[in-house]
Amino acid sequence: GQNIDQPTEMTATEGAIVQINCTYQTSGFNGLFWYQQHAGEAPTFLSYNVLDGLEEKGRFSSFLSRSKGYSYLLLKELQMKDSASYLCAVPTGGGNKLTFGTGTQLKVEL
Amino acid sequence: DGGITQSPKYLFRKEGQNVTLSCEQNLNHDAMYWYRQDPGQGLRLIYYSQIVNDFQKGDIAEGYSVSREKKESFPLTVTSAQKNPTAFYLCASTTGSTDTQYFGPGTRLTVL
Repeated sequence: GQNIDQPTEMTATEGAIVQINCTYQTSGFNGLFWYQQHAGEAPTFLSYNVLDGLEEKGRFSSFLSRSKGYSYLLLKELQMKDSASYLCAVPTGGGNKLTFGTGTQLKVEL
Repeated sequence: DGGITQSPKYLFRKEGQNVTLSCEQNLNHDAMYWYRQDPGQGLRLIYYSQIVNDFQKGDIAEGYSVSREKKESFPLTVTSAQKNPTAFYLCASTTGSTDTQYFGPGTRLTVL
């Protein structure tokens, strides 16, 4: 089966850097996704990692370590609009299904 | 514009009534999915369909039904057998060659 763990809440200051961690246990690994979800809205795709290492995309970067079952999302130069829930997800079996973590609610303060 | 649409955005129904949520996509995606999200929780898979006229149960299919008569459409019916239907329902689709799922705007269902 699949088990995904993320912190429930985090708070950070505007302009700062924050790291959101995700640990997973899967019976087979086919990559890891990060999504952003603002309150009352749909999740939007941020990143997909299948190989170890850091992938940078503007202010957002995502890191993966397959041997440790660990990923993190790094947000730089935080802005108020980054206040949202960040969901970690892994593919599950066939059918391109995804299993989602419960999400990390990030609050950016002045 | 290509995308996934869900309607309506907000839906109110009386207890014991069946209700159908719409999901349409013009992305030419093969696979479509329905999720339920409750406050403070992640997304849970209800049903999914990889091709027309075929669909499979997800983790929480009881009390729900779906159909996939057209590639573009994947409606979800919430039946009276669903014990706690009040939730945020999200539809997603993917090309099938990649796992990246793209979501519609969601429908918030409230059963009174």
